[in-house]
Amino acid sequence: AQSVTQLGSHVSVSEGALVLLRCNYSSSVPPYLFWYVQYPNQGLQLLLKYTTGATLVKGINGFEAEFKKSETSFHLTKPSAHMSDAAEYFCAVSEAAGNKLTFGGGTRVLVKP
Amino acid sequence: DTGVSQDPRHKITKRGQNVTFRCDPISEHNRLYWYRQTLGQGPEFLTYFQNEAQLEKSRLLSDRFSAERPKGSFSTLEIQRTEQGDSAMYLCASSPGGTQYFGPGTRLTVL
Repeated sequence: AQSVTQLGSHVSVSEGALVLLRCNYSSSVPPYLFWYVQYPNQGLQLLLKYTTGATLVKGINGFEAEFKKSETSFHLTKPSAHMSDAAEYFCAVSEAAGNKLTFGGGTRVLVKP
Repeated sequence: DTGVSQDPRHKITKRGQNVTFRCDPISEHNRLYWYRQTLGQGPEFLTYFQNEAQLEKSRLLSDRFSAERPKGSFSTLEIQRTEQGDSAMYLCASSPGGTQYFGPGTRLTVL
């Protein structure tokens, strides 16, 4: 069975500061890893994904994440937070392309001016 | 490409009533998924289809829940004899076999 743990249900950052959201996963097979963002009363939008190959993955809106197999981690970062980054972020894992996603509990990001 | 659409966006019902939700996937996406998201939690997988075949069902999908995708295009999710614990956002996603694209969700409130 797969699982995802997101450390910190809420994160507060100042505008212009680094955003770091932590995600650790458990998987018995090489994982496919995803970060999604959810704005209020909306569905989930894909930020980035890791399948195979380069372990540093760049996504939309200036976000990137690094797959570290030894640490079973897939942390999400953005060098400089913008007010529009305020949202909830979900890390997810699946066993293969197209298989069901197992999500973490989410991290809500608040950006302070 | 108009994205995944879901109808209705909001549904308020009384306990014991039946409800049905519809999901229209992105055209030509052969996989369709249903997830449930309760307040403050991440989405939880319910079931998924490849074309019209239902390939996997979560144990969360009790016998009061049924999902169909009769022609391999749109899908419906029915909940019979709703309970207050069914109150949640029901999310649909579609995929051509890789990345899943989500709809806006149907928020169900059971009074």
